[in-house]
Amino acid sequence: DAGVTQSPTHLIKTRGQQVTLRCSPKSGHDTVSWYQQALGQGPQFIFQYYEEEERQRGNFPDRFSGHQFPNYSSELNVNALLLGDSALYLCASSPRGGRDIAEAFFGQGTRLTVV
Amino acid sequence: AQKVTQAQTEISVVEKEDVTLDCVYETRDTTYYLFWYKQPPSGELVFLIRRNSFDEQNEISGRYSWNFQKSTSSFNFTITASQVVDSAVYFCALRAPNSGGYNKLIFGAGTRLAVHP
Repeated sequence: DAGVTQSPTHLIKTRGQQVTLRCSPKSGHDTVSWYQQALGQGPQFIFQYYEEEERQRGNFPDRFSGHQFPNYSSELNVNALLLGDSALYLCASSPRGGRDIAEAFFGQGTRLTVV
Repeated sequence: AQKVTQAQTEISVVEKEDVTLDCVYETRDTTYYLFWYKQPPSGELVFLIRRNSFDEQNEISGRYSWNFQKSTSSFNFTITASQVVDSAVYFCALRAPNSGGYNKLIFGAGTRLAVHP
């Protein structure tokens, strides 16, 4: 059983560009959360998707947007990239609407570098 | 406000030494949950333990043990007889459902543990 799969694993973009990161949740999971982890820092919550809608959002600007598809997979889009967006982006999936965070599984992340 | 502080940025020990990772949290919720995660070099966060605010029993799992003290708002993690495979970054995290945190984890900055042979 594959766990949480994120693609791509690494990405280099130029300031001002747009990027799309993808996440396939663990089988049986219906909820996807995205976190940003800057170098040397803990992960910061970006938002969570459930039933194809954004359910909760952290303190991130509107340049960060997302989508969840009927098969529960999710995309994170970042527009007008800034150097400060360079980070490891982690996706976490949960079953049963994310009722129990302890059941969340994390992917290995996408390392985004903005130059 | 919710906050998790891991004051130790890096810890270096020799194999077989015991090591304790400190975690101090802040929340006004009376019901909350505390977690520890391990992040190996591959990047994924591996769940280690969850504690709810009503359960102050210490827990031991093999070489791992956790000391939860509400009086000092601390949830410390001890590895006994450390091994090289324990080398990783360890994160303490808080979930405070009644303060807008139902669906998210608030992480500390992490402690990088290096265990040398």
